[in-house]
Formats: sequence, C-alpha cells, structure tokens
Amino acid sequence: GQSLEQPSEVTAVEGAIVQINCTYQTSGFYGLSWYQQHDGGAPTFLSYNALDGLEETGRFSSFLSRSDSYGYLLLQELQMKDSASYFCAVRDRETGANNLFFGTGTRLTVIP
Amino acid sequence: EAEVAQSPRYKITEKSQAVAFWCDPISGHATLYWYRQILGQGPELLVQFQDESVVDDSQLPKDRFSAERLKGVDSTLKIQPAELGDSAMYLCASRIAGAYNEQFFGPGTRLTVL
Repeated sequence: GQSLEQPSEVTAVEGAIVQINCTYQTSGFYGLSWYQQHDGGAPTFLSYNALDGLEETGRFSSFLSRSDSYGYLLLQELQMKDSASYFCAVRDRETGANNLFFGTGTRLTVIP
Repeated sequence: EAEVAQSPRYKITEKSQAVAFWCDPISGHATLYWYRQILGQGPELLVQFQDESVVDDSQLPKDRFSAERLKGVDSTLKIQPAELGDSAMYLCASRIAGAYNEQFFGPGTRLTVL
C-alpha cells in the first residue's frame, strides 16, 4: 500500500519562510498534490507536481523529486492566516488515476 | 463562486440509529467523492462516483454504509446502524473531468455518535 510521511506539527514566525516536507512510498507514482485546511473548514487545493522541480503560486511553492520520492511545500512571507493543516496527497497506480491518497497532515502554527 | 454544498453541517445521533448526509457538487462536475476524516488525520476515501455510477467503493464498509447518486447530480451517504467509531467529519468533494488533482471540497458534516 501507499505511505506518506509528514511532520505532525511545525511552528514558524510571521514573515518568515517555512518548508513542510512529504516523503512517499507508492506503486506507479503519478503526482503529488498539496491541500490546506483551516480548523473547521474544508480542504482547499494549493498545488500539484507531476514532474521534478519547483512550481510557484504566489507566496506558496511546491517541489518534487521523483527519484527521492520526496516533495515539499514552501510558504514565504508567512501570515497569521496561514495557520492551518497542510496535507500532501499522492495519485498512483494503487489509488487509480482518479483518486488521491492523503497524508496525515502537518499542523502549521504561525506566531507573531 | 460555485461551491459544494453539504447538509446537515452537524449531526448528533445515538448508536444503532440511521443517519444520512447530503451533498450537491459544483454544477458540471461529473466526479463526486465521499471522504471520512477523523480528527487529526487526512481525508480517507469512502466512495467515488462518475455521474451516477460507482467507480470505487473498495473502502466503504458496505455492511452499514451506502451511497447513491441517482440522477448523477446530488448524492446521499447513509449509515445504518451508526456505531461509536463512526464519529468523524464526512466530506464531499467534486471535480471536473480530467482535473484529477484539484478536488473541491464541501464544508463537511460533523457526525457525533453517542
């Protein structure tokens, strides 16, 4: 089966940069996605990587290394509103082309 | 902005009772998912629909859970009978054809089984 590993908690200072790592084990990897979920809210899509390299979307960037089975989400110029849980999710041969398998999430706390 | 609608937002029930959750996906989204999310964990897929057909229900506890999407639009997830371990957030998500990685989630139904 698949497995995803993320740190359970991360704390960072407002205005700083934080990196949330995700390592995965899958069969027939298709891609890695990132979702944000505020307490009591719905997960929202942030980014997706299918190929090696960095994808940038505003203050958020996501990186993938397929050879290392590793990716990360980079949040720059942290704001208090970035305090949330962040989930990596894989799409692979086991999930099927249409489905995502989510990690357990990283709870980010931004402090003043 | 189009959103996935779910109701009720909260449900408290006693074990052995039946409960039902409703989801209305974004218009035009043929693919619909039901997930269960336990506090502190990621969403776990229960069932996937393509239009009115079930594509994947391998993780659905079929002895007590059922899901339908009769007209290929809105969907209902039912639990009968509910058990204490079913207490969780039940999330519905939908996506457009081909956009496999970008799913749009509803606000969820928080179920508490007493």
